[in-house]
Amino acid sequence: GENVEQHPSTLSVQEGDSAVIKCTYSDSASNYFPWYKQELGKGPQLIIDIRSNVGEKKDQRIAVTLNKTAKHFSLHITETQPEDSAVYFCAASISTLTFGKGTMLLVSP
Amino acid sequence: KAGVTQTPRYLIKTRGQQVTLSCSPISGHRSVSWYQQTPGQGLQFLFEYFSETQRNKGNFPGRFSGRQFSNSRSEMNVSTLELGDSALYLCASSPQGAENTEAFFGQGTRLTVV
Repeated sequence: GENVEQHPSTLSVQEGDSAVIKCTYSDSASNYFPWYKQELGKGPQLIIDIRSNVGEKKDQRIAVTLNKTAKHFSLHITETQPEDSAVYFCAASISTLTFGKGTMLLVSP
Repeated sequence: KAGVTQTPRYLIKTRGQQVTLSCSPISGHRSVSWYQQTPGQGLQFLFEYFSETQRNKGNFPGRFSGRQFSNSRSEMNVSTLELGDSALYLCASSPQGAENTEAFFGQGTRLTVV
């Protein structure tokens, strides 16, 4: 089955810096790649997604890139703010979502 | 539009007991998926129901089961609880299915087995 690796497991940045989280997947048939943000005590919330026919997608301060040849995709957050602090999960999907283990992002004021 | 609702939010059960968790999807969504979240294993897929039929199943023992009703509401049941079943159980709904469509999660049910 699909396997998703996510790095780093923790990431600390200063407010205003950029943050990058990287994921690799194993099954070349995966065609949908969402990113979720999970705050303490809440369920994961979809923040951005990308489909296999697109190489890059941007939504304000958040962008995702996809390299299908290398089977990796990344989340980029620019101008980070303290409220961006949370756990971020990547996922890959053929018919069901397979998640990475998560990245705890801490943005210090 | 109301989000995904899971009940109860918290449960404490004893080893050997069984438990039933409930999930009400977003109105109009026909697919409901269940996930187990633990610190060590992360988010693991349990099963997906679509139009009252189990469409996909993860690698969990038969003690974990589920069903979906005609109004798309779903329940999952865990029998003969073990300590290792302590986890946050998350439900997600999609218009048609997780494949290439957004999945919206509820806040989860925190199950503690003692």
